[in-house]
Amino acid sequence: DTGVSQNPRHKITKRGQNVTFRCDPISEHNRLYWYRQTLGQGPEFLTYFQNEAQLEKSRLLSDRFSAERPKGSFSTLEIQRTEQGDSAMYLCASSTYYEQYFGPGTRLTVT
Amino acid sequence: DQQVKQNSPSLSVQEGRISILNCDYTNSMFDYFLWYKKYPAEGPTFLISISSIKDKNEDGRFTVFLNKSAKHLSLHIVPSQPGDSAVYFCAASAEGSQGNLIFGKGTKLSVKP
Repeated sequence: DTGVSQNPRHKITKRGQNVTFRCDPISEHNRLYWYRQTLGQGPEFLTYFQNEAQLEKSRLLSDRFSAERPKGSFSTLEIQRTEQGDSAMYLCASSTYYEQYFGPGTRLTVT
Repeated sequence: DQQVKQNSPSLSVQEGRISILNCDYTNSMFDYFLWYKKYPAEGPTFLISISSIKDKNEDGRFTVFLNKSAKHLSLHIVPSQPGDSAVYFCAASAEGSQGNLIFGKGTKLSVKP
C-alpha cells in the first residue's frame, strides 16, 4: 500500500495527558499537511511542511500543539496537556502540489 | 466567516439519475478547486479538481463546472450509483498560499437503488 498512513487510528486519553500522532506520507511527496476535523465540519488546516521545513501554521495551532517532520519523511503531531476541546479527527495529507491525498486519520477522544 | 460554503447538508438521488452538488466561495484569490469524497471512518478521497483558468473538467462519471463570475462551482455525477453515497467536500486553494485547502462543511449524498 503506497497511500498515506496514520497511527494510531484511535486514541483515548485523559484530560491533561500528552499525545503524539504519526503520519507517513506518500514517499515521493515533498509537501505534508495536518488538518483537524470535528463533527459536521470540513477539515481545517493546522500546519504545512515542505520537506523538513514547517512553512505555515494556522492560528488554530495553539502553543500546546507542535509538529515535526525530521528528514522530510514522516511527521509527528504532539498535543500537550490535552483538553476536551481537542477531541477531533486529525488528518494528514501529502502532495506534490495542489491535489492532496489524505490518510485515514487519527480519532482523538479526550475524557 | 466561511469562505467555502456548501449550503445543502444532504441530497437524495435515485440510482441512474444525475447528482448535482453545489459549492459557493467568497474569496476571489482562490485559483484552484477540488472535490473530495468521504466515507465514515476514512480520510477524504480526492475526486476531481479544476483550475480557475478553466470552466469545466471531466473525469469519467464526474464533471466539475466553475463559474468564476458567480463564485460558484458544481460537481455532476452521472449516472449516480449506490456506491457514490458518501459525504462530498468542496475545497479551494488561494493563489500565493502554500496550497493549504479551505473546505466547505460537506454535502451528504444518498443514492437510492
